[in-house]
Amino acid sequence: EIVMTQSPATLSVSPGERATLSCRASQSVSSNLAWYQQKPGQAPRLLISGASTRATGIPARFSGSGSGTEFTLTISSLQSEDFAVYYCQQYNTWPPGTFGQGTRLDIK
Amino acid sequence: EVQLVESGGAVVQPGGSLRLSCAASGFTFDDYTMHWVRQAPGKGLEWVSLITWDGGSTYYADSVKGRFTISRDNSKNSLYLQMNTLRTEDSALYYCAKERHQYFDYWGQGTLVTVSS
Repeated sequence: EIVMTQSPATLSVSPGERATLSCRASQSVSSNLAWYQQKPGQAPRLLISGASTRATGIPARFSGSGSGTEFTLTISSLQSEDFAVYYCQQYNTWPPGTFGQGTRLDIK
Repeated sequence: EVQLVESGGAVVQPGGSLRLSCAASGFTFDDYTMHWVRQAPGKGLEWVSLITWDGGSTYYADSVKGRFTISRDNSKNSLYLQMNTLRTEDSALYYCAKERHQYFDYWGQGTLVTVSS
């Protein structure tokens, strides 16, 4: 099973600043990687698929990059509504599509 | 608008059974593979099971294999998860999720299962 490791576990950033979240796969997943956002008390929401394609309605400040084993989610200018937990998920080896353990993005 | 509404969560004793349901609307249900994903309190996401569009293939996480059964009724736009021999570690919020190209583009709000004596 492919293991997804996200770092850091918690990231504290001020509104208006850039946030960079990392996700590493234990073996290559090509570009078959998705990012999800989960706010307290809500279901996860798809942000990015194919490592870099924004889902419908996702603001341009969210961008994804990477391939193989190293991936990054960047939020260019943090808004108050962006503080949440972010999960990556590989779907190259399926099933299962394994998730990372999540990165909590906190207000600094 | 795509909607996925789960139901059936409850408090159940270890060794008990429960059946979860997910009512889907806003898309052609029988075109899509559907999944159950769970999240224990304060923890991350864990994939549980999937069923292909026609019910012809099903897959399970090792942690639930032999105890859980996924099914669907395309005439009712509904997805199900029969959960038997429940353990305390099965306690979680269970989400129904729609698959698109092997990732999840829509999620329900979840139904809570608590396994406790």
